[in-house]
Parts: sequence; C-alpha cells; structure tokens
Amino acid sequence: GENVEQHPSTLSVQEGDSAVIKCTYSDSASNYFPWYKQELGKRPQLIIDIRSNVGEKKDQRIAVTLNKTAKHFSLHITETQPEDSAVYFCAASIIGGATNKLIFGTGTLLAVQP
Amino acid sequence: NAGVMQNPRHLVRRRGQEARLRCSPMKGHSHVYWYRQLPEEGLKFMVYLQKENIIDESGMPKERFSAEFPKEGPSILRIQQVVRGDSAAYFCASSGTSLESTQYFGPGTRLTVL
Repeated sequence: GENVEQHPSTLSVQEGDSAVIKCTYSDSASNYFPWYKQELGKRPQLIIDIRSNVGEKKDQRIAVTLNKTAKHFSLHITETQPEDSAVYFCAASIIGGATNKLIFGTGTLLAVQP
Repeated sequence: NAGVMQNPRHLVRRRGQEARLRCSPMKGHSHVYWYRQLPEEGLKFMVYLQKENIIDESGMPKERFSAEFPKEGPSILRIQQVVRGDSAAYFCASSGTSLESTQYFGPGTRLTVL
C-alpha cells in the first residue's frame, strides 16, 4: 500500500547550521509533496510544497528537492534559528486522482540549540 | 477570513460513551479531510468528504466510527462506544477543490477516554 518513510526521527543542530530531512514514497503516481511544521500542541502548518513537474523549490531559508526517479524528496533549512524547533512532517498525495488524501511520514523532531 | 474551525478543542469521555467532533472548513471550501494523530505519532488519514458525499473512507475503522458533511453545517466525526485506544488528537483539514492541493488544518480536538 501507500507508504512514506521519513528520516531522521530526531535531529539536533546548532543555531546557524543547516538541517536536512529526507523522505521516500512508495506510490509512483504521487504528484504532490507538502511539508508541514507542527509545534507542540498546535496544528500542522504548511511551510512549503512541491509538485512532481518541478525538481526544486525555494522560499527564503527553506527549500525542497524532488527526485522522481528515486522517489525521494528532501527538506533543507539553512541558517537555522531556535524558532525552527518543531516536528516536521513530509507527505505525499495524488492530486486529481480518486482521492486527495495525504500520506504522512512519521515526523522529524528538530531541535535547534542556541 | 476565518481558518478551519474545530470544536470542542478538548473532549473527555468515559469508555462506552459517544464522542462527536465538529469541523467547519475555511470559507469557500467544500472538501474536508479527517486525520488522527496518536500520542508521539504522525498523522493518519481517516476520511475524505465533500458536501453530502463520502469520497474516501479507507482510513476509517469499520466499526464505531462514522463521518458526515451535510449540505448545511459542519462536518461531524462520530465515535460510538469509545475505548481508551481512541484517545488521540483529531485534526480536520479543508481544501477548495479536488484539484487544489493545499490542505489547511484546524486546531484539532484532543479526545481523552477515561
């Protein structure tokens, strides 16, 4: 069935360093890949997304890359700040298919040490 | 421009009682998704609804759980005869159309079963 694997499960970096989180999806029909940030006790908030017709997308300190052949996509955060500390979830979906459900990875707890 | 609304935010039920969770999508949105997040885990898809129709309920347990999205009013997720394992955060998300990829999440309902 559909599956999204996410690594690492925890990541600790020093303020100012870069952080990279990687995901792999199983369904080759997936064409939409969002990343959500969830702070403790809060709702998931979309921080960036990418469609399968694009290989890379950047928004200030955040970038996402997609390798369709390998079915990998990654989140890159540069110049990390303490307020980046949260749990990050990747997800995959098939937009325009029978269902738009998001299949989530298991999450990465990012801790940015000041 | 109100976002996705959910109520109640916290719900305590005893084993065997019924839990009724409500979700009002963003203004203009007619697609609603329900996800469950167990403690320390990721988000799992439960059901996808449009007005008066269930599109995909592949993630919903076959017994005790039901969902609806009537023509008027919020979407309702109903859990009958709750058990301790139902304790979780239940999030709903909404999107504008089936081709619109972004799902916006509500604040969640935290259900505790005693």
